[in-house]
Amino acid sequence: DTGVSQDPRHKITKRGQNVTFRCDPISEHNRLYWYRQTLGQGPEFLTYFQNEAQLEKSRLLSDRFSAERPKGSFSTLEIQRTEQGDSAMYLCASSPPTLSNGYTFGSGTRLTVV
Amino acid sequence: DAKTTQPPSMDCAEGRAANLPCNHSTISGNEYVYWYRQIHSQGPQYIIHGLKNNETNEMASLIITEDRKSSTLILPHATLRDTAVYYCIVRETSGGSNYKLTFGKGTLLTVNP
Repeated sequence: DTGVSQDPRHKITKRGQNVTFRCDPISEHNRLYWYRQTLGQGPEFLTYFQNEAQLEKSRLLSDRFSAERPKGSFSTLEIQRTEQGDSAMYLCASSPPTLSNGYTFGSGTRLTVV
Repeated sequence: DAKTTQPPSMDCAEGRAANLPCNHSTISGNEYVYWYRQIHSQGPQYIIHGLKNNETNEMASLIITEDRKSSTLILPHATLRDTAVYYCIVRETSGGSNYKLTFGKGTLLTVNP
């Protein structure tokens, strides 16, 4: 297991199109998180899964955003009708039930909406 | 909002110790201090965390003041690869939102040759 994998690494899309990102967490980690990071800012929390259950969604996650984690393994983050303001790095992280050593982050998906 | 205050940037000479300060004057008794770093175009990487006592691992040392209102991350022998943004974060040990990390803007550490 080489860590948290995210696909794609980069995505350029036209405004109004839908995009979907995938995250494969570390296999024994039951917790999965999505964060968003814009230029010059720290990552911001979007949502959290424990196994397949989505337990919290930030108010940053508008109705155009949806995240799933079927079967408690990989997760997808979909953005519908993309806007230029959605341009950002989308980071996925995972952790075991005990959070003592924090999260392991993936390298992120950089989305550019043109 | 982040509960920590860090200088926006610092410089360090290669091979010297880098001491990164963090103020967390409103920290409560059940909150840990965590440090992450983010190298350009990568996801944040966990470095170290502590509650009350000083901690050391293979990457760094964490010194927490006795009143826990501030801490210092020490990279004992900085290398060029340590150039990154360093984030200091406080996180609850328990409770409903203890899984959430709240990042500030961090400190951009530049290690110079």
